Amino acid sequence: GENVEQHPSTLSVQEGDSAVIKCTYSDSASNYFPWYKQELGKRPQLIIDIRSNVGEKKDQRIAVTLNKTAKHFSLHITETQPEDSAVYFCAASYTGNQFYFGTGTSLTVIP
Amino acid sequence: GAVVSQHPSWVICKSGTSVKIECRSLDFQATTMFWYRQFPKQSLMLMATSNEGSKATYEQGVEKDKFLINHASLTLSTLTVTSAHPEDSSFYICSAPPVDRVWGYTFGSGTRLTVV
Repeated sequence: GENVEQHPSTLSVQEGDSAVIKCTYSDSASNYFPWYKQELGKRPQLIIDIRSNVGEKKDQRIAVTLNKTAKHFSLHITETQPEDSAVYFCAASYTGNQFYFGTGTSLTVIP
Repeated sequence: GAVVSQHPSWVICKSGTSVKIECRSLDFQATTMFWYRQFPKQSLMLMATSNEGSKATYEQGVEKDKFLINHASLTLSTLTVTSAHPEDSSFYICSAPPVDRVWGYTFGSGTRLTVV
């Protein structure tokens, strides 16, 4: 099956700085890569996603890049704010239904 | 948009008892439901996939007899943790696939199970 690795596990940045989280996947058939933000005790919320036919996607302060050849994708958050503090999960899917999640990154934005 | 309602949100039970968690799809039919488990500060681990009208598919290492999954209707999937033990304490969350082939899917609100 698919194996998704995520780094770093924890990340602290100063407010206003950028944060980058990286994921790698093993199954070349995977073609959909969402990113989720999860606050403590709450359900994950989709924040951005990218399909394998696209190399980069941006939504305001959040962007995702995908390198199919290397099988890795990254989340970029610019101008970080304290409310960005949460756990972020990457995931990979080749059906659009079943997802395999990365191990999560706990992001702390220091005011 | 599609909503998955999950209950209970939090449950405490004694060791040896069973707990049932329900996930209902509101305003749409979910022929498939995915069940995840999440330990504190860890990722979501897929436990099983339930399919309406047929047996659930379990991931490797997940005990079928301990985690009973039923998907009797197009709007309801249940996970029963049987003979619960403290090590079963975790956050359980369900998810349904997209309704209209728009990529992405909907999570339930999760159930925090504490076995004492």
